Amino acid sequence: KNEVEQSPQNLTAQEGEFITINCSYSVGISALHWLQQHPGGGIVSLFMLSSGKKKHGRLIATINIQEKHSSLHITASHPRDSAVYICAALFQGAQKLVFGQGTRLTINP
Amino acid sequence: SQTIHQWPATLVQPVGSPLSLECTVEGTSNPNLYWYRQAAGRGLQLLFYSVGIGQISSEVPQNLSASRPQDRQFILSSKKLLLSDSGFYLCVGERNTEAFFGQGTRLTVV
Repeated sequence: KNEVEQSPQNLTAQEGEFITINCSYSVGISALHWLQQHPGGGIVSLFMLSSGKKKHGRLIATINIQEKHSSLHITASHPRDSAVYICAALFQGAQKLVFGQGTRLTINP
Repeated sequence: SQTIHQWPATLVQPVGSPLSLECTVEGTSNPNLYWYRQAAGRGLQLLFYSVGIGQISSEVPQNLSASRPQDRQFILSSKKLLLSDSGFYLCVGERNTEAFFGQGTRLTVV
């Protein structure tokens, strides 16, 4: 079965802290996406990964194909990073994106 | 680059009224297209997907339908909205393992 699990479901931290959000998936994937959803807002695509690591500003995404695991890191977190972060996996041969439940991140000043 | 235009961003509709949400694709052809819904406090659930014009697969039974009249147009419809249809609706495209996302529509049925 194609499944995606995210952890933690909720995360609260202080401004400046290093943040890690985890995503595990059940079987082989073609690609994994990290998305950001602000309260009441739309979806913003952050990264697409099939291997290795990508960096954009203070955001870093990594994926370990053997362990079927991806992480999203935020360095020097800021209150404006508060949002729901969602991972989505495109499973090999399935032609469907399966979304994780999302991680609600709150950064306090 | 591939983009999806989805509108409207927010919508408030009375119970029993019809619904039509549309998304259009730019920058690619023959994409796979998907409609997802996110109910309050829950994750995104696949409603429909389409691999080509006129080809629609439904994942869950519901009060909604989808159509793909053109390669780059995907429409989500309902004849009579229910309160339980409230939620966040997202149109997603996929081509050669690369996915691209609409902004989403927040629907409130009152």
